[in-house]
Amino acid sequence: LAKTTQPISMDSYEGQEVNITCSHNNIATNDYITWYQQFPSQGPRFIIQGYKTKVTNEVASLFIPADRKSSTLSLPRVSLSDTAVYYCLVAGGDTDKLIFGTGTRLQVFP
Amino acid sequence: DAGVTQSPTHLIKTRGQQVTLRCSPKSGHDTVSWYQQALGQGPQFIFQYYEEEERQRGNFPDRFSGHQFPNYSSELNVNALLLGDSALYLCASSHRVTKEADTQYFGPGTRLTVL
Repeated sequence: LAKTTQPISMDSYEGQEVNITCSHNNIATNDYITWYQQFPSQGPRFIIQGYKTKVTNEVASLFIPADRKSSTLSLPRVSLSDTAVYYCLVAGGDTDKLIFGTGTRLQVFP
Repeated sequence: DAGVTQSPTHLIKTRGQQVTLRCSPKSGHDTVSWYQQALGQGPQFIFQYYEEEERQRGNFPDRFSGHQFPNYSSELNVNALLLGDSALYLCASSHRVTKEADTQYFGPGTRLTVL
């Protein structure tokens, strides 16, 4: 069973900010939270990873509350090319296999 | 800096045949994991290799086997192919020695079709 729960799908329009929330109630102390993006027939692409508070890189931000039981991936000003499936995963340094759920299918409209 | 590479890109086999898929990890990475992704599903973990040994295994039958070479590249072998083995096979590499969570980087995948 996947260790995370996220919405099956989301719709947005170009230029909007998109926030995808993921629940991971049973996250372990040594687990990190990682988000991947996947386009059809391609391998998942690493987006961002964090342990607590907020992490930001050139493509996204990751917000993690103090209890770490959820996280939110924020994509600023999405474009049509952001249409993809987004996976939230939790895994620790000593638990190397990634357990994928069904992900969130984001559809961006013009 | 080359990322994870996989070969071949596509493969068509018939039931009962055997197949070998290949993966070269990202430069500096020493650990290779294999995943199977059926259409419309998330990737499912098959197994992981580190120091040329299988370290973890998912819920896959013994028909699925692998190997890691001294240069860290890896092969996935599937024997007695079934129609249900048709999927995108993904290889991911990581660097095991880091103290933080080992971020896995995925290759483009090999699309296997079993007829």
